[in-house]
Amino acid sequence: AQSVTQPDIHITVSEGASLELRCNYSYGATPYLFWYVQSPGQGLQLLLKYFSGDTLVQGIKGFEAEFKRSQSSFNLRKPSVHWSDAAEYFCAVGSSGTYKYIFGTGTRLKVLA
Amino acid sequence: GAGVSQSPSNKVTEKGKDVELRCDPISGHTALYWYRQSLGQGLEFLIYFQGNSAPDKSGLPSDRFSAERTGGSVSTLTIQRTQQEDSAVYLCASSPRDRAMFFGPGTRLTVL
Repeated sequence: AQSVTQPDIHITVSEGASLELRCNYSYGATPYLFWYVQSPGQGLQLLLKYFSGDTLVQGIKGFEAEFKRSQSSFNLRKPSVHWSDAAEYFCAVGSSGTYKYIFGTGTRLKVLA
Repeated sequence: GAGVSQSPSNKVTEKGKDVELRCDPISGHTALYWYRQSLGQGLEFLIYFQGNSAPDKSGLPSDRFSAERTGGSVSTLTIQRTQQEDSAVYLCASSPRDRAMFFGPGTRLTVL
């Protein structure tokens, strides 16, 4: 079955520390992969996307993600977290030929001053 | 630049009433999606439009839910005879050919 797993429901990091949010997927076709961020009371904002090519993808706000086909993972990273990064982060997967994207259940990030 | 807009931003209604939620996609985006986000839940796919047609309505929870899109642009999600379990944030997204979705701010629906 097609699925996206974000193993960490909550993560707390100190401001300035590095961050890695995990995303694992199970998908039959070559995946398109996305990370979105949702601040309280807001819609989802696209952080970055992977369709093909370089497996290390740069996004907005200093985020990056690496596609590892052998591990079926697309983890999101940031070298130094800012207090404004506190939000909920969603990983999503789709593919060419399908419009129905599958979203993970999200990881809520808390940043300590 | 204009993003996806949704109206109203908040809607409080009484059980049994009908509600209409509106989505204005980004100009030129051919694909439009409706998702529902309940408290503590992930995103639940409702319906997808390509142009004005909806090839997949399988995500609509019941026949009380319907949606239409006119002129390849604005979409309306209608919920008839609302129930308390319909309370959620309804998110609209649009997509150009490269398939990255852009979301609106959502409509928070509360059914009393």
